[in-house]
Amino acid sequence: SQTIHQWPATLVQPVGSPLSLECTVEGTSNPNLYWYRQAAGRGLQLLFYSVGIGQISSEVPQNLSASRPQDRQFILSSKKLLLSDSGFYLCAWSRQAQETQYFGPGTRLLVL
Amino acid sequence: KQEVTQIPAALSVPEGENLVLNCSFTDSAIYNLQWFRQDPGKGLTSLLLIQSSQREQTSGRLNASLDKSSGRSTLYIAASQPGDSATYLCAVRPDMRFGAGTRLTVKP
Repeated sequence: SQTIHQWPATLVQPVGSPLSLECTVEGTSNPNLYWYRQAAGRGLQLLFYSVGIGQISSEVPQNLSASRPQDRQFILSSKKLLLSDSGFYLCAWSRQAQETQYFGPGTRLLVL
Repeated sequence: KQEVTQIPAALSVPEGENLVLNCSFTDSAIYNLQWFRQDPGKGLTSLLLIQSSQREQTSGRLNASLDKSSGRSTLYIAASQPGDSATYLCAVRPDMRFGAGTRLTVKP
C-alpha cells in the first residue's frame, strides 16, 4: 500500500530564517506531487505541483520554492521566512493529474 | 476563476441524524469533485471522488451527488455518529479549488 510522510510535524522558526520541509511517498512510482498551505481563517491553497523529477509548476507567486530531486521526494523551501508564511503545510500525491489525491499528515509552521 | 463555497460553515446534530453538506461552485466546466474530511490538526482523508460525468458516488454511509449544470454537490451522511465529527471539505478540479469547509459536530 502507499504511504506519504512529512517532516517535521511541527516547526517554529524566526523571521528571516531558511526553511526546508520534506515529503516522501512510498509504494508507488512516478506520482504527481502537490504542496498545499492551509492558513488560519483561509482555505486550502495549492502552492506547487510536480508531474516528474525536476518538473515544478507554481500556482501562486510567493516567498517559497519547491524541488523534486527524486521520484518520490518533494521539498518545500524558503531562503528567508516571512511572518505570513505561518500555516499548516500539506503534501499530497495522486497517480494521475485528475485522480484522487491522498494527503500527508502535514507540517505546522509558526514563524515568529 | 473558480469559486467554491460550502454552507453551512458549522453544523451540530444529535447522533443518529441524517444530514446533508453542501458544496457549490461557480464554473460548471469541472473534471471532477472530491470530498475530504479533516480531523483537527491532521491531514485530509479522501472520502469520495465523483467524476463530471457521474451523478453520484456511494461509500458506506456516505453518498455524494453532483449536479454540474447547477454547480452543486451534496454529501449525505446517514445515521451520523460522534466519530463523524470533523471538518468536511470539497475540492473541484481541474484547479483543485477548495471550499472553506463545514465543521460538523455530532453529539452523543
